[in-house]
Amino acid sequence: GAGVSQSPSNKVTEKGKDVELRCDPISGHTALYWYRQSLGQGLEFLIYFQGNSAPDKSGLPSDRFSAERTGGSVSTLTIQRTQQEDSAVYLCASSRNLFRDYGYTFGSGTRLTVV
Amino acid sequence: TQLLEQSPQFLSIQEGENLTVYCNSSSVFSSLQWYRQEPGEGPVLLVTVVTGGEVKKLKRLTFQFGDARKDSSLHITAAQPGDTGLYLCAGEDETSGSRLTFGEGTQLTVNP
Repeated sequence: GAGVSQSPSNKVTEKGKDVELRCDPISGHTALYWYRQSLGQGLEFLIYFQGNSAPDKSGLPSDRFSAERTGGSVSTLTIQRTQQEDSAVYLCASSRNLFRDYGYTFGSGTRLTVV
Repeated sequence: TQLLEQSPQFLSIQEGENLTVYCNSSSVFSSLQWYRQEPGEGPVLLVTVVTGGEVKKLKRLTFQFGDARKDSSLHITAAQPGDTGLYLCAGEDETSGSRLTFGEGTQLTVNP
């Protein structure tokens, strides 16, 4: 597609439920990133996939968070047993190898609200 | 983890005024990027600076990378309401591949 697509755009879930957030990156982009952003704040790194290499999971805040990227394309971020502090906008981005020239291309995010 | 501190956190000015936003760290970065984010959207890349002392201009926006590659600034001349948004700096360090560390952002409001 022309851009990075994220779904759903909004998700309201009850505390304790599991949620899955989907990211469809730009075709041909080798790297895919997940960040989360609390209201009006900067971006907190979660996880990063680069080609066929093992993902960099160093930003995942707890073992309730996991992500996978299938076939080097679509990625799913799963949050198990959601807590209220998980409420945030979850942003996905993809980039080419020459990311310095082109930067990250972000999706519009999934706004997650845990009630 | 390398940290990027941005200042000011909030800035509200009148149309036509000039402003400068700062991005500082105690760590050296291989490159630094600036993004602008509007409500309900993801950040959009404005510029990448790579060389210490580098200055890049994008219309009324001037970006500078510090000589030691630890800090950067964004200067806007004659701000316009369309410049309103959240400005984020993001640094690349040599050990983390293409993973970027983002600052907390500067929320700029330009009033007509």
